[in-house]
Amino acid sequence: DIVMTQSPDSLAVSLGERATINCKSSQSVLYSSNSKNYLAWYQQKPGQPPKLLIYWASTRESGVPDRFSGSGSGTDFTLTISSLQAEDVAVYYCQQYYTTARTFGQGTKLEIK
Amino acid sequence: EVQLLESGGGLVQPGGSLRLSCAASGFTFSSYGMSWVRQAPGKGLEWVSAISGSGGSTNYADSVKGRFTISRENSKNTLYLQMNSLRAEDTAVYYCAKDEVRYSQMWGQGTMVTVSS
Repeated sequence: DIVMTQSPDSLAVSLGERATINCKSSQSVLYSSNSKNYLAWYQQKPGQPPKLLIYWASTRESGVPDRFSGSGSGTDFTLTISSLQAEDVAVYYCQQYYTTARTFGQGTKLEIK
Repeated sequence: EVQLLESGGGLVQPGGSLRLSCAASGFTFSSYGMSWVRQAPGKGLEWVSAISGSGGSTNYADSVKGRFTISRENSKNTLYLQMNSLRAEDTAVYYCAKDEVRYSQMWGQGTMVTVSS
């Protein structure tokens, strides 16, 4: 299975500042035939189910604020929140869907400093 | 509006069985793959199983292979997860999700499964 490793495990950022979460896969999730990275990002707030934020590594899901952006290719990916809002406090997960056995990162807990 | 409603969770003894259901509405159910993802108390997300829109293709995590069976009844817009030989480590909230390609676009609220004597 592909192992997904996120860093850091937790992060505290001031309101209005940038938050950056990294995700590394144990093998490339870039499919050469279509040049797509099979990588998604989810947000999970306390007591709620996960919510899809980003797919294909950088495509924002409909309705997701544009302060959320995804980047990266191959094995190294980043989720960036450009200006942290109070409602962004959550745990963030990356997931690869390159293989049929999909795997998640361990999660990154984002808090307000 | 897409809605996914899980049911069937509860307390079961080790070695026991349970069947989870997920009732879907608001979309053409048979056109989409579906998944089960679980989350142990205080832990992260673990993908469990997925099934194609027709039901003809299924996949499982190694941790549940041979014990869990995913299925669907498209005439009833319902997804199932039959869980046998349950272990303490299967204790978790189980979410069903509507898939696009193989990422999960929409999630249900989850149903809790507790395996304990």
